[in-house]
Amino acid sequence: GNSVTQMEGPVTLSEEAFLTINCTYTATGYPSLFWYVQYPGEGLQLLLKATKADDKGSNKGFEATYRKETTSFHLEKGSVQVSDSAVYFCALRGAAGNKLTFGGGTRVLVKP
Amino acid sequence: GAVVSQHPSRVICKSGTSVKIECRSLDFQATTMFWYRQFPKKSLMLMATSNEGSKATYEQGVEKDKFLINHASLTLSTLTVTSAHPEDSSFYICSRDREGADTQYFGPGTRLTVL
Repeated sequence: GNSVTQMEGPVTLSEEAFLTINCTYTATGYPSLFWYVQYPGEGLQLLLKATKADDKGSNKGFEATYRKETTSFHLEKGSVQVSDSAVYFCALRGAAGNKLTFGGGTRVLVKP
Repeated sequence: GAVVSQHPSRVICKSGTSVKIECRSLDFQATTMFWYRQFPKKSLMLMATSNEGSKATYEQGVEKDKFLINHASLTLSTLTVTSAHPEDSSFYICSRDREGADTQYFGPGTRLTVL
């Protein structure tokens, strides 16, 4: 079956630091890949996505590239802000059906 | 603004009682909604797919008699945890498909604590 593995947190950074959250996946076929963010007290929101190999998703300064050869979709941001403090989830949607499979989530705390 | 709401946001109940959680699609008539469960420091686990006007489709290992799902209208799905026990304590999240896209809108979640 499908699975998603992402680095455990919490990750604590200073403002303007570089952020990387690793995500790898196992799936048959060609899944779509997503990063969701959950801010305190709110529901999960789509941050970015990529639907085929070598696609790069980007939003709010975050980027992730769909790497089929390494089955990875690492999330990066060059300069984080305090407002980026949240829990980040990597997820995939298989080629068939509409179910999402999530990674365990990574809590990020950005200190001023 | 929010497109999926949940009520209540948190609930504490005694062991043996039943608890109902509501999930509303605020701006879209959703024929399909999804229920997830999230354990502390764990991933979201899909429990079931709620289908308007028909029975829910449960994932393997989820007890359908324990977690009753009713999708009576195009804007409301409910999850009832029957005869709750402390091991049912968790964070329950619902979602619906995002129209025209391959992803979902999520509710803010409901934290259930069973004493």
